[in-house]
Amino acid sequence: KQEVTQIPAALSVPEGENLVLNCSFTDSAIYNLQWFRQDPGKGLTSLLLIQSSQREQTSGRLNASLDKSSGRSTLYIAASQPGDSATYLCAGSNNAGNMLTFGGGTRLMVKP
Amino acid sequence: DGGITQSPKYLFRKEGQNVTLSCEQNLNHDAMYWYRQDPGQGLRLIYYSQIVNDFQKGDIAEGYSVSREKKESFPLTVTSAQKNPTAFYLCASSTPGLAVMRQFFGPGTRLTVL
Repeated sequence: KQEVTQIPAALSVPEGENLVLNCSFTDSAIYNLQWFRQDPGKGLTSLLLIQSSQREQTSGRLNASLDKSSGRSTLYIAASQPGDSATYLCAGSNNAGNMLTFGGGTRLMVKP
Repeated sequence: DGGITQSPKYLFRKEGQNVTLSCEQNLNHDAMYWYRQDPGQGLRLIYYSQIVNDFQKGDIAEGYSVSREKKESFPLTVTSAQKNPTAFYLCASSTPGLAVMRQFFGPGTRLTVL
């Protein structure tokens, strides 16, 4: 059974810093991987989706990579801003692509 | 505006009471999902439905029930058999069968047992 772990559980950085959030998974047969953002008390917003055949995706200041052989994905946030403060969750899907297994999330605080 | 709506936003339940959480989507998605989120934790799958009149148990289905009579609607009932129902409940939808799958989430319902 797929297990997804995110480290660290919480992270506080000063504004402007580049940072990396980590996600590891136990089953290298993961089909695709998504990164989500969750604001307090809100639903999830999909940030990036890395398909099975891809190794990375970029959107603005965000870049996510996927290395199936090592069981790792990273989310890189460039030039962090206070508005980036939120919880970031990664989730891997099975080979049918319709079941997601979530990590516990990293709670990010960017201080002005 | 296309999207997923959940109601109510906050719900309070007394011991021994069943409550139903609503989830509606107008995205024309076939698949719908219910997740539970506890403080500081990720999401765990309760039930999912890939097509009308069909649904499957997820990892933590005990104490919950669902129905899928319409494509747009996937209500979740939290029964008195669920011993620790206080949590944040999230509904999602997607279109399965594609090479790329993306789940869209509703705003959530926070359930508290009094």
